[in-house]
Amino acid sequence: EAQVTQNPRYLITVTGKKLTVTCSQNMNHEYMSWYRQDPGLGLRQIYYSMNVEVTDKGDVPEGYKVSRKEKRNFPLILESPSPNQTSLYFCASTRGLAGRNEQFFGPGTRLTVL
Amino acid sequence: GQQVMQIPQYQHVQEGEDFTTYCNSSTTLSNIQWYKQRPGGHPVFLIQLVKSGEVKKQKRLTFQFGEAKKNSSLHITATQTTDVGTYFCAGGNNDMRFGAGTRLTVKP
Repeated sequence: EAQVTQNPRYLITVTGKKLTVTCSQNMNHEYMSWYRQDPGLGLRQIYYSMNVEVTDKGDVPEGYKVSRKEKRNFPLILESPSPNQTSLYFCASTRGLAGRNEQFFGPGTRLTVL
Repeated sequence: GQQVMQIPQYQHVQEGEDFTTYCNSSTTLSNIQWYKQRPGGHPVFLIQLVKSGEVKKQKRLTFQFGEAKKNSSLHITATQTTDVGTYFCAGGNNDMRFGAGTRLTVKP
């Protein structure tokens, strides 16, 4: 089954404790992206990757890191989480350009930073 | 940078009434996508519009792309309870901009 998976689905942590949210897709998509969703703000892009070893900043990259060492995986790293990073996070993937093709979203990771 | 604005933020309708959400971009879009997110779920792709003035239909849903490719709308005829959710528009190339979404609730 074609899908995007994220882990963990829920996470409560404390300020400053490094964490990683994993994202994996089995569709051989070149493009992967991370979004955060906050009430009233919709989805805002954090980082995206057009292919292996190619990443770029989205709208709200501050406080986040990503890496793309393999085509299928695109982990999101919060080196020193802060309460303003409490949010719902979605990973997405697509074939080719995101704006030209359907994006497939993962189930989401709800992160709370205390 | 490019901004995508969407109105209204919320819409509550009686089942059977129509619903429309509007999307406006600060810049010309090459194309626009629409997504639906059910409560507690993740966004799911509905459609993509590419051509100026394009109109596409999916059963009770009608999607339009403006002539200047800076605005779009989604119209649902005779809403049903299964239409409940948040509808997002999105535009861009690799750097995607989503509207804030319109949350639709339907009273049976």
